[in-house]
Amino acid sequence: AQSVTQLGSHVSVSEGALVLLRCNYSSSVPPYLFWYVQYPNQGLQLLLKYTTGATLVKGINGFEAEFKKSETSFHLTKPSAHMSDAAEYFCAVSVDTGGFKTIFGAGTRLFVKA
Amino acid sequence: NAGVTQTPKFQVLKTGQSMTLQCAQDMNHNSMYWYRQDPGMGLRLIYYSASEGTTDKGEVPNGYNVSRLNKREFSLRLESAAPSQTSVYFCASRDRGLNTEAFFGQGTRLTVV
Repeated sequence: AQSVTQLGSHVSVSEGALVLLRCNYSSSVPPYLFWYVQYPNQGLQLLLKYTTGATLVKGINGFEAEFKKSETSFHLTKPSAHMSDAAEYFCAVSVDTGGFKTIFGAGTRLFVKA
Repeated sequence: NAGVTQTPKFQVLKTGQSMTLQCAQDMNHNSMYWYRQDPGMGLRLIYYSASEGTTDKGEVPNGYNVSRLNKREFSLRLESAAPSQTSVYFCASRDRGLNTEAFFGQGTRLTVV
C-alpha cells in the first residue's frame, strides 16, 4: 500500500533561515506526490505537486520540493523563512484503489521565530 | 466561485445526539471526500464518493454514514455521537486522475460532550 511518512511533527526555524520539511513515501508504482499547507482555522490548500517530468517542483510562496526516487523522498524547502510561513504542512500521495484518493502524512507544524 | 462549502462551522453535541454535516462543491468534480483531523494523526479518510451514486468506506468509517445527494453535495451523518468523534471534519473534492489535487472546505469543529 502506498503511504507517506513525515519526519518531525514540529520544526522551528528563525526568520530568514532555511526551511526543510521531510517526507518519505512508500510506493510500488511511480507516485504522484503533493504538499499541502494549512493555516490556523482553515482548510488545506495545495502548495505544489509532482506528477511526471521535472523532479524539482516549484510551488507557491517560494516553496519547492525535489522528487528523489533513489531516496524515496519528496522534501519541501524554502530558502528564507517568513513569519507568514508558520502553519502545518502535509505531504500526501494520490492513489487509485477503485477511486482516486489522497493519503496524508501526519503533518509537520512549522514555527518561525522572529 | 465558492469552491467547497461546509456547514456548520462549529457544533457541540451531547453524547447520543445525531447530526448531519453538509458539503457542496461548485467545481463539477466527480469525487468527494470526508476526512477527520486529530492532533498528530494527520487527516484520516472516513468515506468517499468516486462519482455520483457511489460511496465507499475509508480508513475510519465506524459511527458514520454518508449520502451523495447529487454531483454537488455529499453529506456526513453521525447517528449517535460519541466523545471519540470530537474532531475537525473536512470535506474535499477533486477531479478524476491521479495527478489532480484535492480542494478543501473550511472545516467543521465538532465537540461531543
